Amino acid sequence: GQNIDQPTEMTATEGAIVQINCTYQTSGFNGLFWYQQHAGEAPTFLSYNVLDGLEEKGRFSSFLSRSKGYSYLLLKELQMKDSASYLCAAPYSGGGADGLTFGKGTHLIIQP
Amino acid sequence: DSGVTQTPKHLITATGQRVTLRCSPRSGDLSVYWYQQSLDQGLQFLIQYYNGEERAKGNILERFSAQQFPDLHSELNLSSLELGDSALYFCASSPRDSYNEQFFGPGTRLTVL
Repeated sequence: GQNIDQPTEMTATEGAIVQINCTYQTSGFNGLFWYQQHAGEAPTFLSYNVLDGLEEKGRFSSFLSRSKGYSYLLLKELQMKDSASYLCAAPYSGGGADGLTFGKGTHLIIQP
Repeated sequence: DSGVTQTPKHLITATGQRVTLRCSPRSGDLSVYWYQQSLDQGLQFLIQYYNGEERAKGNILERFSAQQFPDLHSELNLSSLELGDSALYFCASSPRDSYNEQFFGPGTRLTVL
């Protein structure tokens, strides 16, 4: 498996910007995923980065630095519905054809 | 709605028992993944099937087994259940066997008493 670390909890204000960091140690890198999970619901896909740099998708952007083993998810113009857990994930064995190793997730609380 | 279905939604059983969880992937998806989510361990990969064949194993206990049928639906069998097996079990599917977006079903909440 892989080793993935992210903060347990973050708090931000509605309308603001928040950055959720993720560091990873993997054996054979094959990309990094971000998922969103509301309490009691299924995770939903947000982004997949395989090359260094920033990828923007609406209010959400994801950044990757392979040399530093680092990624972040940037959420802009925060809305109350963005209150959820954000999970950083990498392919389980790094060798293809496998599931994902997830971090413990960052619980994001949005305050009015 | 991801297009992945799981049954049952909730399951309550006793220690030592055996249960079967069922998953139907999105139409056209060949890969099925099983995950276990508990409060202390987070979301953990158990096993993957691709077009009927076992493709990868994660942290799956020997008491657990899975299979994927010709119509691509999958079943996860949990036996000799223990209190610690209480968790949310998710199934996910994807079109190919690696490095692609996985679509998660709504999950089965298993409670072992």
